[in-house]
Amino acid sequence: DTAVSQTPKYLVTQMGNDKSIKCEQNLGHDTMYWYKQDSKKFLKIMFSYNNKELIINETVPNRFSPKSPDKAHLNLHINSLELGDSAVYFCASSQNRDTNQPQHFGDGTRLSIL
Amino acid sequence: GNSVTQMEGPVTLSEEAFLTINCTYTATGYPSLFWYVQYPGEGLQLLLKATKADDKGSNKGFEATYRKETTSFHLEKGSVQVSDSAVYFCALRTQGGSEKLVFGKGTKLTVNP
Repeated sequence: DTAVSQTPKYLVTQMGNDKSIKCEQNLGHDTMYWYKQDSKKFLKIMFSYNNKELIINETVPNRFSPKSPDKAHLNLHINSLELGDSAVYFCASSQNRDTNQPQHFGDGTRLSIL
Repeated sequence: GNSVTQMEGPVTLSEEAFLTINCTYTATGYPSLFWYVQYPGEGLQLLLKATKADDKGSNKGFEATYRKETTSFHLEKGSVQVSDSAVYFCALRTQGGSEKLVFGKGTKLTVNP
């Protein structure tokens, strides 16, 4: 069983559209994250939720809105998509907020803006 | 701020060669340190970790030792295989409630038969 699963795996859409990426973890973890990986493979945190509560928002444009309906899910909605949003988006989870807890990553969603 | 610097790639080795990927960090307090690996087309997987000075993390033949005096966490493997070809990321998380992982820029390793 996949521990952290995200859908869709690939997303190709036009500039200006609105799209959502879903993430679910079946590990019973309290904390979930969204990361963005750019074309040069650089990874940067976007958001983090702990027990459905937003705890990190890393200077991300407000076109990006995360939503956590329960602690097993963290979805990412993006409004008015721009060319610069093209990237791979990774969802991750960890047992809790302790810094020695590793994060478990999904396989990524490759977003391409035409 | 907190940051991670790892050696620029790409790194190309022959099978059974010795691997070192350098990683140094800047952090307030005492971070936990991690190496993640990303195989082509996949997400990141935790390779190993160390949570305090002088700890050695190891997994699948890879090792890294947390060196506080040199603020380093270099990744090593004695004999690489073709299947080790991937991008390797060094990362840290700091104490005091900062949950995010701060990543290095990644080092692409290619191992040729």
